[in-house]
Amino acid sequence: QKEVEQNSGPLSVPEGAIASLNCTYSDRGSQSFFWYRQYSGKSPELIMSIYSNGDKEDGRFTAQLNKASQYVSLLIRDSQPSDSATYLCAVNGNAGKSTFGDGTTLTVKP
Amino acid sequence: DTEVTQTPKHLVMGMTNKKSLKCEQHMGHRAMYWYKQKAKKPPELMFVYSYEKLSINESVPSRFSPECPNSSLLNLHLHALQPEDSALYLCASSQGGGYQPQHFGDGTRLSIL
Repeated sequence: QKEVEQNSGPLSVPEGAIASLNCTYSDRGSQSFFWYRQYSGKSPELIMSIYSNGDKEDGRFTAQLNKASQYVSLLIRDSQPSDSATYLCAVNGNAGKSTFGDGTTLTVKP
Repeated sequence: DTEVTQTPKHLVMGMTNKKSLKCEQHMGHRAMYWYKQKAKKPPELMFVYSYEKLSINESVPSRFSPECPNSSLLNLHLHALQPEDSALYLCASSQGGGYQPQHFGDGTRLSIL
């Protein structure tokens, strides 16, 4: 089992729809959780951090964390073509490093 | 503009060359990282420096040699690389500790001939 697993893609949604990206992790001691967006040929860009159970909203983005279920998700409301990218889930544990999932590629169709 | 600056943006080198990748951040961060990323794969951690000391080495071959001259600078010295080392090399920094988010530079795209 991988340490961090993301829902297999690619994911395609129409413009204006909600995109839902999911991530599960195996280390129960994990303390911090991040979503990065990576456009093709570019470097990862931090879009959300979440540290405690519940929801965290930032504009069109909502991160959800459930430590009991070892699950973190990212919702993108009113998806735009500019949201088309690969989304990386990263989980930080006690070892002081981030473990990345394989990423989910999102395409938003106009 | 990213606050983590990497140079050069592109590098082509032969297997016998010696070159260095450079990374600089001015955010006052105390942890810096080197990652290797192949196409359609997630970043793969190579090294972590925390407070200018090497804290994590993910069993990287010795042909990659990191150096942290001060808290703002991180170098990766390359020697006798193999074609399979061709990749995007990413530098990142974080405030410190293992629980902070990382901020990435634009990367150096390295090609080994």
